[in-house]
Amino acid sequence: ETGVTQTPRHLVMGMTNKKSLKCEQHLGHNAMYWYKQSAKKPLELMFVYSLEERVENNSVPSRFSPECPNSSHLFLHLHTLQPEDSALYLCASSRGGGTGYSGANVLTFGAGSRLTVL
Amino acid sequence: GIQVEQSPPDLILQEGANSTLRCNFSDSVNNLQWFHQNPWGQLINLFYIPSGTKQNGRLSATTVATERYSLLYISSSQTTDSGVYFCAVEGETSGSRLTFGEGTQLTVNP
Repeated sequence: ETGVTQTPRHLVMGMTNKKSLKCEQHLGHNAMYWYKQSAKKPLELMFVYSLEERVENNSVPSRFSPECPNSSHLFLHLHTLQPEDSALYLCASSRGGGTGYSGANVLTFGAGSRLTVL
Repeated sequence: GIQVEQSPPDLILQEGANSTLRCNFSDSVNNLQWFHQNPWGQLINLFYIPSGTKQNGRLSATTVATERYSLLYISSSQTTDSGVYFCAVEGETSGSRLTFGEGTQLTVNP
């Protein structure tokens, strides 16, 4: 248990479904992240929230919609996904906040949500 | 942006063997971390090491920032060490987010 909890751990959805991934951190961190990990590819940063404000959106399609209602919770809302969106979605948090987040931003990851889109 | 190269891409060891994993990066860094991803997908932070040397049990890491590389040493490997080892860096000038390498897939056989 890392202090970052992701649910569900596994999700199968059709292309017309709407679902959400949830992430909760109990570490008192100020920044939260969504990463995508596809087979045979490095982790790709999708979104960064710092102090509940989105500070980065790496050209992610609009069918992925993040929400950060407070500094402990992060959601990823999924809508009309494609089969190529099947991947492991990882949430992480770090102590650092602010747009710079340089220096000692040590990431703590959740266990991931494995998504399959049929 | 900053480039991160890890080697070797795959490594197979017998239990008890030692190994060295390498991470090369293309720019000066503020932040360098090593992670281990187990077969179930969980990523665990092993070291935060933008420079210098650290040790934690059978694992140690060294970053030579001036020469833009980091090494992760695993001694007396165990089957539970199997998984993928990632290096991630945050460049001083290339933006302020971690860029991950492609990882080294380690398999330790009994």
